[in-house]
Amino acid sequence: KQEVTQIPAALSVPEGENLVLNCSFTDSAIYNLQWFRQDPGKGLTSLLLIQSSQREQTSGRLNASLDKSSGRSTLYIAASQPGDSATYLCAVKAGGSYIPTFGRGTSLIVHP
Amino acid sequence: DTAVSQTPKYLVTQMGNDKSIKCEQNLGHDTMYWYKQDSKKFLKIMFSYNNKELIINETVPNRFSPKSPDKAHLNLHINSLELGDSAVYFCASSQGDSHNAEAFFGQGTRLTVV
Repeated sequence: KQEVTQIPAALSVPEGENLVLNCSFTDSAIYNLQWFRQDPGKGLTSLLLIQSSQREQTSGRLNASLDKSSGRSTLYIAASQPGDSATYLCAVKAGGSYIPTFGRGTSLIVHP
Repeated sequence: DTAVSQTPKYLVTQMGNDKSIKCEQNLGHDTMYWYKQDSKKFLKIMFSYNNKELIINETVPNRFSPKSPDKAHLNLHINSLELGDSAVYFCASSQGDSHNAEAFFGQGTRLTVV
């Protein structure tokens, strides 16, 4: 059974810092990994999708990498802004299942 | 146009009632899901359904049942609601026959049982 872990659970930083959020998974036979953002009381917004054949994906100030052999993905946020404050979730499809399995998220607060 | 839409967005109801949450997707996907997000924000799969099979998480009480009138809809029926059913329920869809497919989520339905 796939287990997805996100570290840290919570993060509070001043504006302008570069951040790294971590996601690890136990079944390395993944199909893809997706990073989502969830604002308080809102739904899930897809940020980046990395296929198993890819090493990284970039969108604006966001960069996500994938290392299947070590069972890890990192989400890098450059020059953080208060508007980046949200919960970040990673979801993994693996092991013969097309059902995404979620981590518990990293709650990020960026102070002005 | 909203890709995955859920109604209602908020639902407050009394214990013991029966309620339904509707989900529709206009992406042409053939696989839809229901997730439950608990108070600690953890998203747990409840059901996955496509035109071939229904996969049920064995921990989901049988008071919960998915109903799919067609490929674009997967509604969630809940019988005899309990306080512990209070949560946010998310519907999602993807192209199920492709393991590489991206998942798209609705905005969630916040269910409060009083």
